[in-house]
Amino acid sequence: GENVEQHPSTLSVQEGDSAVIKCTYSDSASNYFPWYKQELGKGPQLIIDIRSNVGEKKDQRIAVTLNKTAKHFSLHITETQPEDSAVYFCAASIPTDSWGKLQFGAGTQVVVTP
Amino acid sequence: GAVVSQHPSRVICKSGTSVKIECRSLDFQATTMFWYRQFPKQSLMLMATSNEGSKATYEQGVEKDKFLINHASLTLSTLTVTSAHPEDSSFYICSAQPSGSRQETQYFGPGTRLLVL
Repeated sequence: GENVEQHPSTLSVQEGDSAVIKCTYSDSASNYFPWYKQELGKGPQLIIDIRSNVGEKKDQRIAVTLNKTAKHFSLHITETQPEDSAVYFCAASIPTDSWGKLQFGAGTQVVVTP
Repeated sequence: GAVVSQHPSRVICKSGTSVKIECRSLDFQATTMFWYRQFPKQSLMLMATSNEGSKATYEQGVEKDKFLINHASLTLSTLTVTSAHPEDSSFYICSAQPSGSRQETQYFGPGTRLLVL
């Protein structure tokens, strides 16, 4: 089955700097890769997603890149702000599942210090 | 758009009682909803896939008689934790997929904190 690895587990950055989180997946047939932001005590919020027919997608300060050959995708946050502090999860679709299940990474705790 | 609600947000119950958690898609219809469990500082663990009008599909190791799921309409799925015990204490989160959209997109609810005494 699909396996998603996410690194780093924790990331501390100074306000204004960039943050990069990387994920790898195992099933080359996966074709959908969302990123979620989860604040303490809340449910995950979809912040950006990318499909396998696209190599890069950007939404303001957030961008995601996908390398299908290497089977890895990354989240880039530029000009970080304290409100970006949260746990970020990557996920990959499970090709063999007809209901659209996702396989999640272990999460990255991002701390943005003023 | 794509708002999912959960009720209650937190619940405390005595061991042996049953607890029902509701998951609603507020501004879209969802043929498929998912139920997750999350322990502190851990990732999301899928418990079951809930499909409107049919039986839920449970992940390996999840007891279907303990975690009853009902998806009676296109906007509501319920999870009932039967005969709850302290080890069932956790953060339960649902997600919903808009019907007719790209199948994989999931929007999450705010979660329900369950504490069993």
